[in-house]
Amino acid sequence: EVQLVESGGGLAKPGGSLRLSCTASGFTFSSYSMNWVRQSPGKGLEWVSSISSSSRYIYYADSLKGRFIISRDNANNSVNLQMNSLRAGDTALYYCVKSWGYEAFDAWGQGTMVTVSS
Amino acid sequence: IQLTQSPSSLSASVGDRVTITCRASQGISSYLAWYQQQPGKVPKLLIYRASTLQSGVPSRFSGSGSGTDFSLTISSMQPEDFGTYYCQHLDGYPLFGPGTKVDI
Repeated sequence: EVQLVESGGGLAKPGGSLRLSCTASGFTFSSYSMNWVRQSPGKGLEWVSSISSSSRYIYYADSLKGRFIISRDNANNSVNLQMNSLRAGDTALYYCVKSWGYEAFDAWGQGTMVTVSS
Repeated sequence: IQLTQSPSSLSASVGDRVTITCRASQGISSYLAWYQQQPGKVPKLLIYRASTLQSGVPSRFSGSGSGTDFSLTISSMQPEDFGTYYCQHLDGYPLFGPGTKVDI
């Protein structure tokens, strides 16, 4: 069974940083692209960032303007999201999501909540 | 590319046929997926490649479309089908539609 478990969320002050982690199991992690998707309270889904299986290709939503950095460790089946210069608008539930090629996002973690507030 | 969904919300009764439309601002490939999110739950993949039913998803769900116009149809609404539905385009930067909330 595919499992994705996020951690690292919490309360951060505006301008602060947080590092989210996601540990994967139940599939060959090194073969799949991974993503972060966020959902602000009461709002829709917003794609944040993607990283290819080998880390060769990395993409970010334009709205992030270089504040976030995605990385992965295939030896430890983990993907991370370093979030810098946090803003109130970054407050959201952050999901770790597995890609299934271009077909779909086929497995989602339960999410980790990030709250940015002074 | 932008995705819009219509309607943004709708009310339905058990047994109703419901159709949700996803429109792209320009022609896109058929790498179009649909997800269901029930309140407080994680999104669930329903349809991929515009019309292929994900394994384990009831056959009352179907998808169709190409180019700029895609749709998700629920042939007979069931109590567990209420929630928010999102389309997503995956060819290029992944992009979600704004969602359609389906309630009673």
